[in-house]
Amino acid sequence: EDQVTQSPEALRLQEGESSSLNCSYTVSGLRGLFWYRQDPGKGPEFLFTLYSAGEEKEKERLKATLTKKESFLHITAPKPEDSATYLCAVQAIGAAGNKLTFGGGTRVLVKP
Amino acid sequence: EAGVAQSPRYKIIEKRQSVAFWCNPISGHATLYWYQQILGQGPKLLIQFQNNGVVDDSQLPKDRFSAERLKGVDSTLKIQPAKLEDSAVYLCASSTYRGRNSPLHFGNGTRLTVT
Repeated sequence: EDQVTQSPEALRLQEGESSSLNCSYTVSGLRGLFWYRQDPGKGPEFLFTLYSAGEEKEKERLKATLTKKESFLHITAPKPEDSATYLCAVQAIGAAGNKLTFGGGTRVLVKP
Repeated sequence: EAGVAQSPRYKIIEKRQSVAFWCNPISGHATLYWYQQILGQGPKLLIQFQNNGVVDDSQLPKDRFSAERLKGVDSTLKIQPAKLEDSAVYLCASSTYRGRNSPLHFGNGTRLTVT
C-alpha cells in the first residue's frame, strides 16, 4: 500500500527565515510526486510535479527536490503570504487511474 | 478557464439523515475524483470516474455512500444515512486524462457537519 508521511506537522517561521518541509514516501513504483498548497477554506492548489530522483522544480520562493525515498519543499525567505498547508502526494505506476495518495500536510505559519 | 465548481459550500445535518453534494468539473476533463478530507488530515480518495465509468471505488463505504456521473460531466455524491464520523470536507477534483502530465484540479469543497 502506498504511504506518504510529511514532517513536521506544523512550522512557525519568521518572515525571511528559510526552512524545509519533508515528504517521505513508500510506493511500489513512482509515476510522479506532487506538491499542493491549501489555504483555509479552499481546495488544494497544484504547485509541482516531480518524476525522477534528482529532479528539481522552482516557483518563486519555493523549490521542490526529489530522491528515491523522499521529497523536500524548500521555502526561501518566506513572506506572510506563504502561510498555508503544504500537501505532498504520490501517484503510483499501475495504480487504478492516476489517483493521488496524500500525506497529512505541513501547516506553515509565517509571521511578519 | 473556469475551475471545478462544487455546491453547497456548507451543510449541517443530523446523524442518520441523508445529504448530497454536486460537482461540475473543468470543461473537457474526462476524469473526476471525490476525496474526503477530515480536519487536520490529507485528502483521501473515495471514488474516481473516467467519463461516466467507475475506475476505483475501493475506499468508498458502499453501505452508505454512493456516487454517479451521468453523461460523463457533472457528478453527485450521496451519503445515506450519515454518521458523526462523516463530518469532513468533501473535495471534487478533475483532470484531463490518465497521463503523467495531468495534475488534479480541485474545487473548494463542501464542508459537512454531522451532529
